[in-house]
Amino acid sequence: AQSVSQHNHHVILSEAASLELGCNYSYGGTVNLFWYVQYPGQHLQLLLKYFSGDPLVKGIKGFEAEFIKSKFSFNLRKPSVQWSDTAEYFCAVTSSGGYQKVTFGIGTKLQVIP
Amino acid sequence: ETGVTQSPTHLIKTRGQQVTLRCSSQSGHNTVSWYQQALGQGPQFIFQYYREEENGRGNFPPRFSGLQFPNYSSELNVNALELDDSALYLCASSPNRRVSHEELFFGEGSRLTVL
Repeated sequence: AQSVSQHNHHVILSEAASLELGCNYSYGGTVNLFWYVQYPGQHLQLLLKYFSGDPLVKGIKGFEAEFIKSKFSFNLRKPSVQWSDTAEYFCAVTSSGGYQKVTFGIGTKLQVIP
Repeated sequence: ETGVTQSPTHLIKTRGQQVTLRCSSQSGHNTVSWYQQALGQGPQFIFQYYREEENGRGNFPPRFSGLQFPNYSSELNVNALELDDSALYLCASSPNRRVSHEELFFGEGSRLTVL
């Protein structure tokens, strides 16, 4: 069975600070990896995903993530956060070739202080 | 806005009762999935429906059941409610069930409280 671990459950940063949220997954086969974000009062939405090709993927709002297969990791990064990035971030995985059963991590609440 | 709508947004039930939650998928999407998100947890996959049939199920008991209608809208039914069923129930739609890296489009959820 696949699983996802997110290391930081609550992160507080000042505006302009750099962000890195850790994510590790457990699965023996080929995977697809996602970061979803939930802004306050809004629905979950896709930030970025990796399924093949360049392991460094770029998403919306200046976010990027790097898939490191040897480390089973898919960390999310942003060089300079803004107050509007305050949200909850979920790392998620599906297995390639399977149906769309998405396994989510526990989530990381990011609070950006102006 | 994703175009995925869920109802009701909030509801309170007592233990042992039954509940039905509804979801209208985004236009053009034929696949609907349901997730349970308990407080402080990530969403957990309940099941997926495609063309009115369940084609994938997570680790949930049979008292969690669903339906998908010809217009691709869906219902989640939970019988014999337990206190631990209190959670946010999320519906997600996608255009192609065979694409495992397909983006899911989520509704805002139905928050169920079981007393």
